[in-house]
Amino acid sequence: DAGVIQSPRHEVTEMGQEVTLRCKPISGHDYLFWYRQTMMRGLELLIYFNNNVPIDDSGMPEDRFSAKMPNASFSTLKIQPSEPRDSAVYFCASSSRGEQFFGPGTRLTVL
Amino acid sequence: DQQVKQNSPSLSVQEGRISILNCDYTNSMFDYFLWYKKYPAEGPTFLISISSIKDKNEDGRFTVFLNKSAKHLSLHIVPSQPGDSAVYFCAASENSGGYQKVTFGTGTKLQVIP
Repeated sequence: DAGVIQSPRHEVTEMGQEVTLRCKPISGHDYLFWYRQTMMRGLELLIYFNNNVPIDDSGMPEDRFSAKMPNASFSTLKIQPSEPRDSAVYFCASSSRGEQFFGPGTRLTVL
Repeated sequence: DQQVKQNSPSLSVQEGRISILNCDYTNSMFDYFLWYKKYPAEGPTFLISISSIKDKNEDGRFTVFLNKSAKHLSLHIVPSQPGDSAVYFCAASENSGGYQKVTFGTGTKLQVIP
């Protein structure tokens, strides 16, 4: 298995633009997580899904953030409109009730 | 409010010596603790874990110690090797709706000097 796949690896955009981050979990994993890494707060859980259903989105910072999982092999995290304070590395992870496996992350820069 | 705290953002250790990374937590509902290792441009990878019913778990050069009364855990790496240079995240989990919800700390960057 190729592991968790995230795209793009780097994204630079201007304030106010829509940003969509993509994730393909490991086949067979029924949990998918979106995290944001910042220097100040470390790895923050934004939202997680179980069997494609959002279970806990209490970490989503505000309404500008939304996440979907239309099927077992694909998820998106969307920021609209983006702001400079959204600049961070965003990780997707998947698991099957055990250890979480992380993707390589998307480094987002909002100018 | 950080429930899992790593107060040392960085640590430098000589090759062959012991590296000790520390972590404190505030939530007494945490029942499982983990350490993840992260290299640049990669995602974190699981390193070692410990259940709250134990006070020590060892895996090769890596040992995790848990002091529940102090709400403190530490990761010891002996002997330290240059390949251990990475960011180490402490994490703690609790049962949340049938799933172990994981909370991560801010990370400690370890540099092992050859």
